[in-house]
Amino acid sequence: QKEVEQDPGPLSVPEGAIVSLNCTYSNSAFQYFMWYRQYSRKGPELLMYTYSSGNKEDGRFTAQVDKSSKYISLFIRDSQPSDSATYLCAMSNYGGSQGNLIFGKGTKLSVKP
Amino acid sequence: NAGVTQTPKFQVLKTGQSMTLQCAQDMNHNSMYWYRQDPGMGLRLIYYSASEGTTDKGEVPNGYNVSRLNKREFSLRLESAAPSQTSVYFCASSEAGVSPLHFGNGTRLTVT
Repeated sequence: QKEVEQDPGPLSVPEGAIVSLNCTYSNSAFQYFMWYRQYSRKGPELLMYTYSSGNKEDGRFTAQVDKSSKYISLFIRDSQPSDSATYLCAMSNYGGSQGNLIFGKGTKLSVKP
Repeated sequence: NAGVTQTPKFQVLKTGQSMTLQCAQDMNHNSMYWYRQDPGMGLRLIYYSASEGTTDKGEVPNGYNVSRLNKREFSLRLESAAPSQTSVYFCASSEAGVSPLHFGNGTRLTVT
C-alpha cells in the first residue's frame, strides 16, 4: 500500500458545482496536511495548510482532516473555470527530517462554463 | 517579489551531456529542495538542503548532484544525462521543518 493515495481523475464538473477532492494515507504519524494547486506548466502553489484533525475554511475552499479514518478532503464551493487545475495533497509527520513531505499524485479538475 | 526562480525554463540534452539547473529564492528561507515530476509518478524528492552548508539525499538521488551555493541558491547537476532523466524539475524552498513549500515554475528537460 502506498503511503498516500489520490484518485488521478480527471474530474469534470459544471461551473457552480461543489467539488470534493480526497486523499487517503497509511502513516498514522502524519500530522501536517496540505493541499497544493498546480496550473498547467506552472509550479504547485499552496492552497490550504492544516495541522492535526478538523476543518479549515478559506473563502470557497474547506479542508477537512479525519485522522481516525486517515482521510483528508478538499471542498470547493461554487466552482469556477479558474479552479481548473491539478490538486495535490501532501502530508508530513511532526519532528521528521526536512525531506519527509509526501505528495499524492494529484487529481486533475476541469470546471466547465 | 520573485519568490523561487528557476533557470533555464526548457532544455534539450543529448545522452551523456551534462548540465546544471539553477535555483534562487529571495524569501530568506533556510531549506531548499529539488523535485522531479513525471506523469503517473507525482512529485519525487531528489535532494534537499535543510540549511546552508548541508545537503541530503531524497527518494531518487541517483544520477544527480547538488550544491547549496549560499542561502539563496541551490543548484542541481546532471553529470551524464540519460533519457530516464527526461522530466520536469521543480525547485522549492521553505522556512524550515514542516513549513509549506514554495515552488518555482519548473525546468522542462528532455534527454534524447
